[in-house]
Amino acid sequence: GAVVSQHPSWVICKSGTSVKIECRSLDFQATTMFWYRQFPKQSLMLMATSNEGSKATYEQGVEKDKFLINHASLTLSTLTVTSAHPEDSSFYICSVSRDTGELFFGEGSRLTVL
Amino acid sequence: GDSVTQMEGPVTLSEEAFLTINCTYTATGYPSLFWYVQYPGEGLQLLLKATKADDKGSNKGFEATYRKETTSFHLEKGSVQVSDSAVYFCALGSKDSNYQLIWGAGTKLIIKP
Repeated sequence: GAVVSQHPSWVICKSGTSVKIECRSLDFQATTMFWYRQFPKQSLMLMATSNEGSKATYEQGVEKDKFLINHASLTLSTLTVTSAHPEDSSFYICSVSRDTGELFFGEGSRLTVL
Repeated sequence: GDSVTQMEGPVTLSEEAFLTINCTYTATGYPSLFWYVQYPGEGLQLLLKATKADDKGSNKGFEATYRKETTSFHLEKGSVQVSDSAVYFCALGSKDSNYQLIWGAGTKLIIKP
């Protein structure tokens, strides 16, 4: 069964609204989760590392105020795209790592901003 | 810094053909190497991995050998099926970086019946 669950899998919103995407680790407690963005025909881009109980670590060029990450528990991290615009339309993926190094990915969330 | 280079796609093959998707890397230290696959409409899945030089990862008929001398981790399959059509990503990561992966651009594979 799935190890990581992401919700929603697809969301359409109007420009200027905020959208929250959830990432849940189902099988084990995760102190660290990763958020990626995938552009069409391009590779995954790591956006940020979500650390339970502390502030997320953002990659260079990723706006912290735009992409709010909250890792409130050992099984849940959320990504909120604030004041979304069409250029934020993308496929957002979360992943969870075990101490063995294996990564488990969510199903991904496709965001379309009209 | 560390990087991963994958062959560009799409790669189009006929069913039962032999597949090779090239992946080379540059890295300091001794990273682990991974192949991930994304089937249409689904999330990423780990396909196989190798954690040290000369290790061979294998799964679902796919294989890749960690070659330190050529800094490569090419993905191979002897006889592809239509169901193998997907996007394949090569990646490297290390325990030191908490396995924050560095990704290749992905290679789209199309298998025609």
